[in-house]
Parts: sequence; C-alpha cells; structure tokens
Amino acid sequence: DTGVSQDPRHKITKRGQNVTFRCDPISEHNRLYWYRQTLGQGPEFLTYFQNEAQLEKSRLLSDRFSAERPKGSFSTLEIQRTEQGDSAMYLCASSLAGGPYNIQYFGAGTRLSVL
Amino acid sequence: TQLLEQSPQFLSIQEGENLTVYCNSSSVFSSLQWYRQEPGEGPVLLVTVVTGGEVKKLKRLTFQFGDARKDSSLHITAAQTGDTGLYLCAGGLVYNQGGKLIFGQGTELSVKP
Repeated sequence: DTGVSQDPRHKITKRGQNVTFRCDPISEHNRLYWYRQTLGQGPEFLTYFQNEAQLEKSRLLSDRFSAERPKGSFSTLEIQRTEQGDSAMYLCASSLAGGPYNIQYFGAGTRLSVL
Repeated sequence: TQLLEQSPQFLSIQEGENLTVYCNSSSVFSSLQWYRQEPGEGPVLLVTVVTGGEVKKLKRLTFQFGDARKDSSLHITAAQTGDTGLYLCAGGLVYNQGGKLIFGQGTELSVKP
C-alpha cells in the first residue's frame, strides 16, 4: 500500500528559473489537490483535479503557475520564472470522489528554496 | 481574514500536563479533520469528525465537533514528548464538498521532559 508520493523532496533554484514538481496520488483516488505551506502557517489551497479535469483554482495561483493531470493519474505543478516569494513547501493530497467527507491524504511535500 | 481560527498558535508544556487546542469559525463545515505534521513532512491525518456534537477518542487524544459544526477542539491528556509537533485543523465547507480544505494556522506544540 503506497501513499501519496511527491518528487523531488527538496528543490533549490535560482530566481528566474522554472521548476516542476510531480505528485503520484493513492492509486484508487481520483481527486488530487495541490497546497502551498509557508513557515509557521497552515497549508493554503492552490488547485484540484477530479480525474483529468481541473475543477478549481485559487487566486493564489498566478499565471506563472500551471498544473496538469493529463491521464488522471499523476500530476505536475510547474512554476515559471520563480521568485523568492515562491519559496515554500508544496503539498499534494488525494481523495476518493464519492467518499462522504472529503478526507484528504497528504504526501511528504516538496520544499522549494528560491535563491 | 482567517476563515478557521486556531488557538493557541504556540504551546510549550511539561510532560504529563493536559492541553486543549481550539479551532473556531463563523462558517459551517461538512466535516473537520485534524492533522499532525512533523518538520519537513506532510500532514498526517489523525481523525475526521462529521456530526455536530460528535466526540472521538484516539488513545490520549479527544476530538470534539461543535453542535453547529462551526468549531472543534483537540484535548490531549498526560502529554508525552512524542506528542510534539504541529497540529492542524482543516475543514471542508458545506457548499464546497469535494473541494479544498480550509486550514487553521496550526498549533506548534512542544512537550518537554
């Protein structure tokens, strides 16, 4: 039984570079969520997918951010032209649509540091 | 404005003491989840409460959902050093079921031996 998997665990990049993160959800889960967490704060919602469809995007998700889930399985989150303010932990979660209470299970996260 | 207010933000206690963490909102939640997070790791689900007035126990941890489903509390009895971590409450809004979770700011708990 594998949980939510995220890769890489850590990413250090220079300002202006592009970065891409990957998330593999729990295999039978059809919903996938991205959150961002800065130090000392709770996670903030970025976007979520049900199967391939991106159903909701936060206003936090600027046009430099794009997320995809092309085959309804794994997802990628790309940040273009990174800025120092993008430094954060990026968390992925998955859940099962039709489950009664939106129980989401989280991966270990990708820690991004923009220098 | 934080939709889910969690308090206290920091708590430092001695082993053996009891503590309570609160999560409050003016909004109604379909369910509320409590997570625990270690440094550098993702949140790990502790419990989900779904019915107003519900009380759930997990060993020394007691979780309660308010009657109106707007608030919740986490009580730890006889805290141990292994309870140290960041505790997060998170809820799904009634009108947005299946979508995003709203998180509180977290409570950083430190239990000293």
